[in-house]
Amino acid sequence: EAGVAQSPRYKIIEKRQSVAFWCNPISGHATLYWYQQILGQGPKLLIQFQNNGVVDDSQLPKDRFSAERLKGVDSTLKIQPAKLEDSAVYLCASSASGSSYNEQFFGPGTRLTVL
Amino acid sequence: DQQVKQNSPSLSVQEGRISILNCDYTNSMFDYFLWYKKYPAEGPTFLISISSIKDKNEDGRFTVFLNKSAKHLSLHIVPSQPGDSAVYFCAASRTPGNTPLVFGKGTRLSVIA
Repeated sequence: EAGVAQSPRYKIIEKRQSVAFWCNPISGHATLYWYQQILGQGPKLLIQFQNNGVVDDSQLPKDRFSAERLKGVDSTLKIQPAKLEDSAVYLCASSASGSSYNEQFFGPGTRLTVL
Repeated sequence: DQQVKQNSPSLSVQEGRISILNCDYTNSMFDYFLWYKKYPAEGPTFLISISSIKDKNEDGRFTVFLNKSAKHLSLHIVPSQPGDSAVYFCAASRTPGNTPLVFGKGTRLSVIA
């Protein structure tokens, strides 16, 4: 079974530029999450999708971050414009419906550096 | 407000000995607890979990203990192996199935041969 795929793996941009990340979850997983992991911290949820609908985006900085999951499969996360404090690893995770222990499968992440 | 706390940033253990990683939580609504392991440049991988209706769950060398009254859980690894060297994250969620995880800051375990 293929895991969660993310691209690019690394991205370096200047502040005020735009950037987009892509995620393809495990086949058949209805729930998709984007987490932000700042150095020295644990992952923090940005947004959760159930199929192509948003379940929770309460921690997404909506003035600069946006995300979509068209057709309920892969997803993109965009930052526009980027700030220095957006430097972090962006992790995508997915989980299957009916997961009693809420096991989420993570991709390798995209490391973003904002200069 | 840190709802899940891992107060030890790092831990060093001799190969073959027991590793004990600790985690505390403040939100009494959390019902499910998970441990994830993370190697450099990789995403976290699920290790073991426990429901609040249990106080212990075991899977091979890994055992998680939950003390609900103290809002404390621990991960025991016996015997520790050099390949266990990684960052371990404690995570919690409020309801079963498909809900966001709240993570601690992680503990870096080094198993010395």
